[in-house]
Amino acid sequence: AQKVTQAQTEISVVEKEDVTLDCVYETRDTTYYLFWYKQPPSGELVFLIRRNSFDEQNEISGRYSWNFQKSTSSFNFTITASQVVDSAVYFCALSEAIAGGTSYGKLTFGQGTILTVHP
Amino acid sequence: DTGVSQDPRHKITKRGQNVTFRCDPISEHNRLYWYRQTLGQGPEFLTYFQNEAQLEKSRLLSDRFSAERPKGSFSTLEIQRTEQGDSAMYLCASSLSSRTDTQYFGPGTRLTVL
Repeated sequence: AQKVTQAQTEISVVEKEDVTLDCVYETRDTTYYLFWYKQPPSGELVFLIRRNSFDEQNEISGRYSWNFQKSTSSFNFTITASQVVDSAVYFCALSEAIAGGTSYGKLTFGQGTILTVHP
Repeated sequence: DTGVSQDPRHKITKRGQNVTFRCDPISEHNRLYWYRQTLGQGPEFLTYFQNEAQLEKSRLLSDRFSAERPKGSFSTLEIQRTEQGDSAMYLCASSLSSRTDTQYFGPGTRLTVL
């Protein structure tokens, strides 16, 4: 069975600090996708990034960057120069191939990390 | 571009009553998912549809729960004889089935069972 662990329950930082959110996953599949979602106080999950298990290249998008390391089954997320608007719950999620391996289905989520950025 | 919408946003009911939630996916998306999220936890998968076919159901989905997607567009999730343990946020997501299948979520329906 697949599993996603976000060991950090809550993180509190001061604005402009860098912060890294950890994600460790377990799966028996060789092909899978990893995701990060943000859930602000309004409650709606907002898609941030998707990463294919075959693509270990790190990615940077503005103040966000992601570090995928298959060897340690980790997919960590860093926010550089954090802002108050980054305050939210962040979820890491994993999807596995549906039978046949041609597409991907349900997501398995971690428990989330509550990030609070203080002014 | 309209995102995923859910109705109602909040529902308060008494134990034993039936409730029904609606989800309207992004118009061109053929997959629709339901998840449940309790306080302090990540969303948990309940069921999903590809077009009108319900392809997978979680063991979390007891026989009091039923979901439909009659014409492959909107979906309803009904809970019969609600229990206090059903209190949660019910999230709907949709996607365009593909190798990547990125799911986009609606705002959720918060259910409180008294």
